[in-house]
Amino acid sequence: GAVVSQHPSRVICKSGTSVKIECRSLDFQATTMFWYRQFPKQSLMLMATSNEGSKATYEQGVEKDKFLINHASLTLSTLTVTSAHPEDSSFYICSAPRPSGPTDTQYFGPGTRLTVL
Amino acid sequence: GDSVTQMEGPVTLSEEAFLTINCTYTATGYPSLFWYVQYPGEGLQLLLKATKADDKGSNKGFEATYRKETTSFHLEKGSVQVSDSAVYFCALSGASGANSKLTFGKGITLSVRP
Repeated sequence: GAVVSQHPSRVICKSGTSVKIECRSLDFQATTMFWYRQFPKQSLMLMATSNEGSKATYEQGVEKDKFLINHASLTLSTLTVTSAHPEDSSFYICSAPRPSGPTDTQYFGPGTRLTVL
Repeated sequence: GDSVTQMEGPVTLSEEAFLTINCTYTATGYPSLFWYVQYPGEGLQLLLKATKADDKGSNKGFEATYRKETTSFHLEKGSVQVSDSAVYFCALSGASGANSKLTFGKGITLSVRP
């Protein structure tokens, strides 16, 4: 079964509003989670690394004030898209490594489809 | 920086056909290599991996061999099934350990018809 969940699975919002996406590890603790975005017919692009108890690490070109990440507990990371605009419409995916599992293995959430009107 | 290049898609095959999906990479050092699969409506799942040169990863009839001399990690399956229809991503991890970042290729959609 799924080991990483995301909520909501899809969201439609008006331009200028903020949207929060949750990523949860269901049966393990994750000190680190990763956030990706995926455009149609494109690859997953890493946006940021979410670290429990400390600030997220953002990839070059990703606006940290636009995409707020909070890793409040060992099982929950949230991504908030602030003042969303149509160009933020995308598929957002999180992943988490499972400490007790094989190394180099990450578990992915099912993704959140964001549409900004 | 690190990069992964996959062959252009989509790919459509008949059931029981042979499958090859090409993947080449550029990286410094000795990356780990992965194939992830995304079935319709689901999240990415690890299909197979190889962590050093000449290693062969295998799962569900799929295989891929880590070829350092050609910087490749091509995915193969001898006889595809309709249930293999999905999007396949080649990826690399530039450092050891589960907390290392993944770099993905663009993905390729495979459709298998009965």
